[in-house]
Amino acid sequence: DTGVSQNPRHKITKRGQNVTFRCDPISEHNRLYWYRQTLGQGPEFLTYFQNEAQLEKSRLLSDRFSAERPKGSFSTLEIQRTEQGDSAMYLCASSLDGRDGQFFGPGTRLTVL
Amino acid sequence: AQKVTQAQTEISVVEKEDVTLDCVYETRDTTYYLFWYKQPPSGELVFLIRRNSFDEQNEISGRYSWNFQKSTSSFNFTITASQVVDSAVYFCALSEAQGNNRLAFGKGNQVVVIP
Repeated sequence: DTGVSQNPRHKITKRGQNVTFRCDPISEHNRLYWYRQTLGQGPEFLTYFQNEAQLEKSRLLSDRFSAERPKGSFSTLEIQRTEQGDSAMYLCASSLDGRDGQFFGPGTRLTVL
Repeated sequence: AQKVTQAQTEISVVEKEDVTLDCVYETRDTTYYLFWYKQPPSGELVFLIRRNSFDEQNEISGRYSWNFQKSTSSFNFTITASQVVDSAVYFCALSEAQGNNRLAFGKGNQVVVIP
C-alpha cells in the first residue's frame, strides 16, 4: 500500500491522559499536514511540515499539542492532558508539491471520556 | 484570509439525476488552487479534482464536471447521472500559494443518492 497511513485508527482515552498518533506519508512526499475534523464540519488545519521542519502552526494547536517529523519521514502528533473537547478525527495528509493537492490518510478517531 | 462557503448542507437526489454542489471562496492571494474532495462513510478523504487560479477552463472528467468562475469566486461541482456509490460528503477546499498550501475547507455537502 503506497498511500498515507495512520495509526491507531481509533483511540479511546480518559480525560487527562496523553495520546500519540502516527502518520506515515507517501514516501516521496516532502510536505506533511495535520488537520482536525469534528462532527459535521470540514477539516481544520493544525500544522505543516516541509521535510523535518515545522513551518506553520494553527492557533488551534494549543500548548498541549506537539508534533514532530524526525528525519522528514513519519510524523507524530501528541496531545497531553486530553480534554473532552479534543474528541475528533485527526487527519494527516501529504503532498509532493503543494499545488497538486494533498492525499489524506484514513484518520485517527479520538474519543476522550 | 482564506474562506470557503458551501451553503447547502444535505442534498437528496434519485439515482441517475444530476447533482450540482455550490462553492464560494474568498482569498486575497492571486495564486491559489481549488479542490473538491469526497468523504464516503468510511471517513477517508478522497481527492477528486483540482483547478488553479490561472485556468478558468471548465472540464469534464467522467461523470464529474466543474464550473470555475473567478468573477463570482465560485467553483461549482456537478455529478452527472448519480449513482448510489456517490452518496458521501463532498468538500470544497482552497489553498493559497503564500499560505504553505494548507487547505481551507467548507463545511461540506451531504449527498444522498436514493436508488
